[in-house]
Amino acid sequence: GAGVSQSPSNKVTEKGKDVELRCDPISGHTALYWYRQSLGQGLEFLIYFQGNSAPDKSGLPSDRFSAERTGGSVSTLTIQRTQQEDSAVYLCASSLGSRGGEQYFGPGTRLTVT
Amino acid sequence: QKEVEQDPGPLSVPEGAIVSLNCTYSNSAFQYFMWYRQYSRKGPELLMYTYSSGNKEDGRFTAQVDKSSKYISLFIRDSQPSDSATYLCAPGASGGSYIPTFGRGTSLIVHP
Repeated sequence: GAGVSQSPSNKVTEKGKDVELRCDPISGHTALYWYRQSLGQGLEFLIYFQGNSAPDKSGLPSDRFSAERTGGSVSTLTIQRTQQEDSAVYLCASSLGSRGGEQYFGPGTRLTVT
Repeated sequence: QKEVEQDPGPLSVPEGAIVSLNCTYSNSAFQYFMWYRQYSRKGPELLMYTYSSGNKEDGRFTAQVDKSSKYISLFIRDSQPSDSATYLCAPGASGGSYIPTFGRGTSLIVHP
């Protein structure tokens, strides 16, 4: 079946612009995660959605970052007023059931802020 | 101290070698342990998942967990060039407040 998809695969934007990154999780997966992976760094947790519960936003680095998940499926990560330090690969993952456990990752969106 | 520590490498080995990848963690609350493999410009994919101390084998891969010393290992036998990737360890815990935690990953290069 179809895996997690993300779009765009690459995004180059100018400093100060807003960007939206999209994630389509595996159908039926109730949990959805966003991570950031900078060069040579591990995965940095950003936000977690589980069903209709309030999202866990504890990993968002600043109020320029926000995310939503519509209808329990597609999710959008928005970064406002992008900065050069926002340049990274943004990965989305989904899983069945509760937080943690096996996660299925998308290919990521490579964001470059110039 | 980070919750999960991995040597970033790169670790370069000849084809056919036995590879040992290691990870230490500090949080005693971790209950299960995962290894993910990440190829260049791809998302991570789950390789091994184990709950208990001891060994778990899956083909050429063996995951070893020692909870008493908070040390986990991944062994790859008869390594192949296709095993060249970054390997991320990811200890996990149940519970509503758990934040998914990953090591930085170890880069492995298997040369023919």
